[in-house]
Amino acid sequence: QQQVKQSPQSLIVQKGGISIINCAYENTAFDYFPWYQQFPGKGPALLIAIRPDVSEKKEGRFTISFNKSAKQFSLHIMDSQPGDSATYFCAAPDRGTYSGAGSYQLTFGKGTKLSVIP
Amino acid sequence: DGGITQSPKYLFRKEGQNVTLSCEQNLNHDAMYWYRQDPGQGLRLIYYSQIVNDFQKGDIAEGYSVSREKKESFPLTVTSAQKNPTAFYLCASRLAGVAGELFFGEGSRLTVL
Repeated sequence: QQQVKQSPQSLIVQKGGISIINCAYENTAFDYFPWYQQFPGKGPALLIAIRPDVSEKKEGRFTISFNKSAKQFSLHIMDSQPGDSATYFCAAPDRGTYSGAGSYQLTFGKGTKLSVIP
Repeated sequence: DGGITQSPKYLFRKEGQNVTLSCEQNLNHDAMYWYRQDPGQGLRLIYYSQIVNDFQKGDIAEGYSVSREKKESFPLTVTSAQKNPTAFYLCASRLAGVAGELFFGEGSRLTVL
């Protein structure tokens, strides 16, 4: 069972600035790396995910960069807004016990609490 | 609307009592999961199930039990054997067979007095 190391643990960014969160994994069942966003008292929700054969994916102000050789991926939030203040989790898939495609569970990083100040 | 419903949202129990947390989904998802969340610890997997009547232990299964009698339901029992049960519990589900989105419920916060 792998570990996913996420940093920093907390991050304070000025409004309009760039927020960068990094993750490193040990092994993975396949190349699928999601980022989840969680607001206080709520369940996490998928923010953005990257799939095989691409090194970068951009959706609006959010970008995932993936470095397969280094086993690292990162989340960049451009033009950070106070509404982005939340906890962010990266995750990597571990092969599940069941056989067959799609049998896996996600191992999560410990989270990064982002605060965007006006 | 499709989604995952967890209940209760808040629960207080005395030490030594078993507690069952409910998780129901109407997304027609095959796979369901229970995670525990503690401050600074991220999300840790307790149990997961890919099909009805089968489930597997996750990383921190000791002191917990589950059942999967119906596709849409995956209740979690926190037993008296769990040494530190106070936590935020999250249920999740996804379609099996694809590297797809994991959908989470709103969570249940258990406090043991």
